[in-house]
Amino acid sequence: DAKTTQPPSMDCAEGRAANLPCNHSTISGNEYVYWYRQIHSQGPQYIIHGLKNNETNEMASLIITEDRKSSTLILPHATLRDTAVYYCIGSGGGADGLTFGKGTHLIIQP
Amino acid sequence: DTEVTQTPKHLVMGMTNKKSLKCEQHMGHRAMYWYKQKAKKPPELMFVYSYEKLSINESVPSRFSPECPNSSLLNLHLHALQPEDSALYLCASSQVGGRGYGNQPQHFGDGTRLSIL
Repeated sequence: DAKTTQPPSMDCAEGRAANLPCNHSTISGNEYVYWYRQIHSQGPQYIIHGLKNNETNEMASLIITEDRKSSTLILPHATLRDTAVYYCIGSGGGADGLTFGKGTHLIIQP
Repeated sequence: DTEVTQTPKHLVMGMTNKKSLKCEQHMGHRAMYWYKQKAKKPPELMFVYSYEKLSINESVPSRFSPECPNSSLLNLHLHALQPEDSALYLCASSQVGGRGYGNQPQHFGDGTRLSIL
């Protein structure tokens, strides 16, 4: 899995968009960028993933730079329930297991 | 609610006990995983099963013994654990896919919180 770098913590006001950056400059051509989050006392929750193109689902949007060296997860209207640790992971998929970094602790402020 | 069910949610055991952690999924996934998570740390991969066969063992001590009796169930047998083995044990499942076909997100259970006395 590619090594990723994320800021250790971020704050965001409730109702605003939360933009979480991730650097993955060593990602290989066949590795996807996955985002998971872990709310306290729960297991990690899958959010979104992408290879080259930007992706959007009901939870978030993923913007991947053209050179694929970095990406941004966007939570369009953050709520208090979005407070969690967010992990960005580069992985080829299959049944390889995931290598988690330290992630970003996102705190949504009321 | 999670589609991966882990039991028990909490377990306290002595160092001489034998216990088992159980994980079940009914999503038709053929890959299943065990992760260990210490407090305030990210999850760390322990084992991977693909089509009910052990495919990855991340140099885990033999006091942890995984078992995959069928495509829906995954067990982790515990024996002679140490206090430093106290952690949250997470199970996950996914479609197998293949290398280069990274379209297989993993679905996690909420874990078993294990305490070794």
